[in-house]
Amino acid sequence: KNQVEQSPQSLIILEGKNCTLQCNYTVSPFSNLRWYKQDTGRGPVSLTIMTFSENTKSNGRYTATLDADTKQSSLHITASQLSDSASYICVVALIYNQGGKLIFGQGTELSVKP
Amino acid sequence: DGGITQSPKYLFRKEGQNVTLSCEQNLNHDAMYWYRQDPGQGLRLIYYSQIVNDFQKGDIAEGYSVSREKKESFPLTVTSAQKNPTAFYLCASTTRLVGGLGVKPQHFGDGTRLSIL
Repeated sequence: KNQVEQSPQSLIILEGKNCTLQCNYTVSPFSNLRWYKQDTGRGPVSLTIMTFSENTKSNGRYTATLDADTKQSSLHITASQLSDSASYICVVALIYNQGGKLIFGQGTELSVKP
Repeated sequence: DGGITQSPKYLFRKEGQNVTLSCEQNLNHDAMYWYRQDPGQGLRLIYYSQIVNDFQKGDIAEGYSVSREKKESFPLTVTSAQKNPTAFYLCASTTRLVGGLGVKPQHFGDGTRLSIL
């Protein structure tokens, strides 16, 4: 069964600290892995997209890693800010004949406190 | 600025009533999608459309219907057959790619929250 599992379910950190969110997946055939940020009451916004040949990709203070052998990904947030408080969603795309298919994780709820 | 507009932001449905959620995009994207988001769960695909006048069922299409008469618009109707419609509904779009989703991100609207009266 195609699944994406994220951990932790929720996380509270102090402003300025770093944190790492985890994503494990059992998805085949794998095309790429995406991280999205979703603010409360808003739609998700894409942070990074990585294919199986890429093992790291950065977007400002966000750095995603991918280990296609162990089927694990992580999202590292450096020097957190209050505006980083959001849900972070790991998404795996399947190779698909038409339209493509995405498997969504349940998200990690991050709260950054002053 | 280009983007996806969903309306209304909040919607209430009475028993036995059909309601329609609007999704409009000006990104010139061919592909459009409807997802349902429930607390503690990942997004689930309801319907998607790769091209005008064509659409396919997703994983949870029962109780929903869609149309794609224009490239810019992909409305979702939640019918009375959908017994548990309370959720956050998200519309997305992306460039159509032959052979799969490729590495193009999906752009999402800001959602419609549907509740039962």
